[in-house]
Amino acid sequence: AQSVSQHNHHVILSEAASLELGCNYSYGGTVNLFWYVQYPGQHLQLLLKYFSGDPLVKGIKGFEAEFIKSKFSFNLRKPSVQWSDTAEYFCAVNARRGGGNKLTFGTGTQLKVEL
Amino acid sequence: EPEVTQTPSHQVTQMGQEVILRCVPISNHLYFYWYRQILGQKVEFLVSFYNNEISEKSEIFDDQFSVERPDGSNFTLKIRSTKLEDSAMYFCASRGSGTGGYEQYFGPGTRLTVT
Repeated sequence: AQSVSQHNHHVILSEAASLELGCNYSYGGTVNLFWYVQYPGQHLQLLLKYFSGDPLVKGIKGFEAEFIKSKFSFNLRKPSVQWSDTAEYFCAVNARRGGGNKLTFGTGTQLKVEL
Repeated sequence: EPEVTQTPSHQVTQMGQEVILRCVPISNHLYFYWYRQILGQKVEFLVSFYNNEISEKSEIFDDQFSVERPDGSNFTLKIRSTKLEDSAMYFCASRGSGTGGYEQYFGPGTRLTVT
């Protein structure tokens, strides 16, 4: 069974600070990796995804993530956060195989960016 | 841009009552999903649906739950006899097919409150 761990549950940063949110997964096979964001009162939106190729992927709003296969990690980064980045961030994984491809989510990281 | 829609946005029901949550997936998508998020907890997979049948379900998805695609556009989740612990946000998601189709698109959710 696949599982996802997010180590930071609550993060508070000042505007312009750099962000790194940790994500580790556990699964024996090949996976697809995702970061979703949930702004207050809104639905889950895809920030970025990794299927294959360059392990450094760039997403929307200046976010990027690096897949390190040896560490089973897919950490999210942003060099300079903005107040509007205040949201909850979810790392998710699904197995790259036929069938349902269900997503397994981490517990989420609540990010608060202060002015 | 096409999007997944869900109705109602908020449903209040009494314990023991049946509820039907409705979703309209993106029109050319073939895979459909229900997830739920209990307040303060992570997003959990309930069920996936493809080719008019369930392809995978979690242990949460017991006999009280059922899904249906009654026509070419709707995808519904029915809870036969609601319990207090069914109170949660329920998200519908859909995805296309092929190697570019691993990304799931989420609807805005239905907040179910069981009293």
